[in-house]
Amino acid sequence: EAEVAQSPRYKITEKSQAVAFWCDPISGHATLYWYRQILGQGPELLVQFQDESVVDDSQLPKDRFSAERLKGVDSTLKIQPAELGDSAMYLCASSLEPSGGQETQYFGPGTRLLVL
Amino acid sequence: AQSVTQLGSHVSVSEGALVLLRCNYSSSVPPYLFWYVQYPNQGLQLLLKYTTGATLVKGINGFEAEFKKSETSFHLTKPSAHMSDAAEYFCAVSPLPIYGGSQGNLIFGKGTKLSVKP
Repeated sequence: EAEVAQSPRYKITEKSQAVAFWCDPISGHATLYWYRQILGQGPELLVQFQDESVVDDSQLPKDRFSAERLKGVDSTLKIQPAELGDSAMYLCASSLEPSGGQETQYFGPGTRLLVL
Repeated sequence: AQSVTQLGSHVSVSEGALVLLRCNYSSSVPPYLFWYVQYPNQGLQLLLKYTTGATLVKGINGFEAEFKKSETSFHLTKPSAHMSDAAEYFCAVSPLPIYGGSQGNLIFGKGTKLSVKP
């Protein structure tokens, strides 16, 4: 069964350092999402891609976060510089094609970030 | 803005007992509705979803949920809890595009952690 891959699974960094997370969606999935899940909360969308284009980054803190999906396949989320409040689980999800919100999103295992 | 409320951050049931996890959404127009499950240190897995049609939706692992428009609810149930059901459960909505937000964006509740006692 195809799965969304993410790496690393765990990352510990010091504040002010740069970190990067990688996501490889299910083959053929055009839409890719990055979510942030703070401990004890539900996931919140950071950025959504349709192929290589950003369709929603309204909740992405653009002063320190960036995301790219250059060839419309895998994606990288970067934080520079990291802050203590960035400690969270970063989840990547993908879906086949937009269908008005009905489509199922398939989630990867996540990257757990701890900023010291 | 649309929101999702999950009543009870923790629910504890005995093995074999009924599981009831509550979810209410705020919208005058019913959005699409989802339930996801998350096991420790893992991603989210879809249990079931409601888009259109029958209001009682059956999902994986014996779970089902009923969409009640008059109550703006989408509660998740399972007749008999199993130890393997212990996990965190998230209710989510996908707003219709005409009400703002990106197409396909999910808005999640804060989650309910289910414990199952032997």
